[in-house]
Amino acid sequence: DTGVSQNPRHKITKRGQNVTFRCDPISEHNRLYWYRQTLGQGPEFLTYFQNEAQLEKSRLLSDRFSAERPKGSFSTLEIQRTEQGDSAMYLCASSLAGSQVFTFGSGTRLTVV
Amino acid sequence: EDKVVQSPLSLVVHEGDTVTLNCSYEVTNFRSLLWYKQEKKAPTFLFMLTSSGIEKKSGRLSSILDKKELFSILNITATQTGDSAVYLCAVPGGGTSYGKLTFGQGTILTVHP
Repeated sequence: DTGVSQNPRHKITKRGQNVTFRCDPISEHNRLYWYRQTLGQGPEFLTYFQNEAQLEKSRLLSDRFSAERPKGSFSTLEIQRTEQGDSAMYLCASSLAGSQVFTFGSGTRLTVV
Repeated sequence: EDKVVQSPLSLVVHEGDTVTLNCSYEVTNFRSLLWYKQEKKAPTFLFMLTSSGIEKKSGRLSSILDKKELFSILNITATQTGDSAVYLCAVPGGGTSYGKLTFGQGTILTVHP
């Protein structure tokens, strides 16, 4: 296992389109997290899963955002009706439950034009 | 709400200099504080601190926690150009779940030859 994998690496989309990102965590990690990072800021928490259950979702997260982890392995993050303000780096991380040390993927950079 | 504040926001030094990065936090039910290094994409784990006054070291990097004053520092001695990165400080959320890491905005370190 080579770590946390995210696809695509880059995505350019027109405003109003839907986009979906994928994250493959480290296989033995049962927790998976999504973060968003804009330039000059630290990562901002979006949501996390333990196995297939979504345990927490940021109250800052618009209802245009949805995440799934259907079989407790990979996860997808979908953004509907994208807006220019959604342009950011979307980071995925995984960990074992109870561990505070996260392993991050390289992220998907979204640009909404 | 949990809060992490880092200073300075950016720092420019020359190779061989020593730098000190600061992180202050407010969190209910403190468990730990973590430092990450972000060079291009994925933040990578550096240290986790749980006990006050005990220094963690890894080569030229060291970190210490003061739970009474609610801060941590990250020291880098004899800096090299490869130390150029964003250094992030984070704390796990309060409550019964470790699920959410709250990050500071990061310190951008630039080391010139």
